[in-house]
Amino acid sequence: DIQMTQSPSSLSASVGDRVTITCRASQGINNYLSWFQQKPGKAPKSLIYGASILQGGVPSRFSGSGSGTDFTLTISSLQPEDFATYYCQQYNTYPITFGQGTRVEIK
Amino acid sequence: QVQLVQSGAEVKKPGASVKVSCKASGFTLSSYGISWVRQAPGQGLEWMGWISAFNGNTDYAQKVQGRVTMTTDTSTSTAYMELRSLRSDDTAVYYCARSPNTVVVTQVDYWGQGTLVTVSS
Repeated sequence: DIQMTQSPSSLSASVGDRVTITCRASQGINNYLSWFQQKPGKAPKSLIYGASILQGGVPSRFSGSGSGTDFTLTISSLQPEDFATYYCQQYNTYPITFGQGTRVEIK
Repeated sequence: QVQLVQSGAEVKKPGASVKVSCKASGFTLSSYGISWVRQAPGQGLEWMGWISAFNGNTDYAQKVQGRVTMTTDTSTSTAYMELRSLRSDDTAVYYCARSPNTVVVTQVDYWGQGTLVTVSS
């Protein structure tokens, strides 16, 4: 199975900060990577697919980049509603696997 | 608008089965695939499998292979996930999610609200 490793596991940031989360795959996954946002008690929300393509309705402060094994999710200016846990997921190879999550907390 | 509405919470005893439904609206189910993902309490996301609502093809995670069956009923626009021989570590919130591809699993875009399945004696 492809292991997806996110870093950091958690971070504290302030409103307006630029936040970057990294996701590393144990082997190449081309650009078949998605990012999700999940708030406590809620279903995940799809943010990005194809490593860099925003899902419809997702604010442009979110961006994704990378290919192969190394990927990043960037929030250019953190907003109060962005405090949540973020997951990456690869869908290049079965079984589909997720990163362990990165919790973004208020500083 | 696109919606996936899942069935309500379930409490089951070890060894029993559970069948979770996921009713689609706002789109034609047969033009999509449905992935199932679960999340144990306080844990991360785990992919369970995928079904093409176009032709019924499935791919299951090895961890649940042999215990899980995913189906769709396009006449009612509903997807189902049945898990048998339940164990305590199957306690989780189960999500369905739409995949815009009927041939292979790809990205997901819309998610159901989740169904809590509790396995307890």
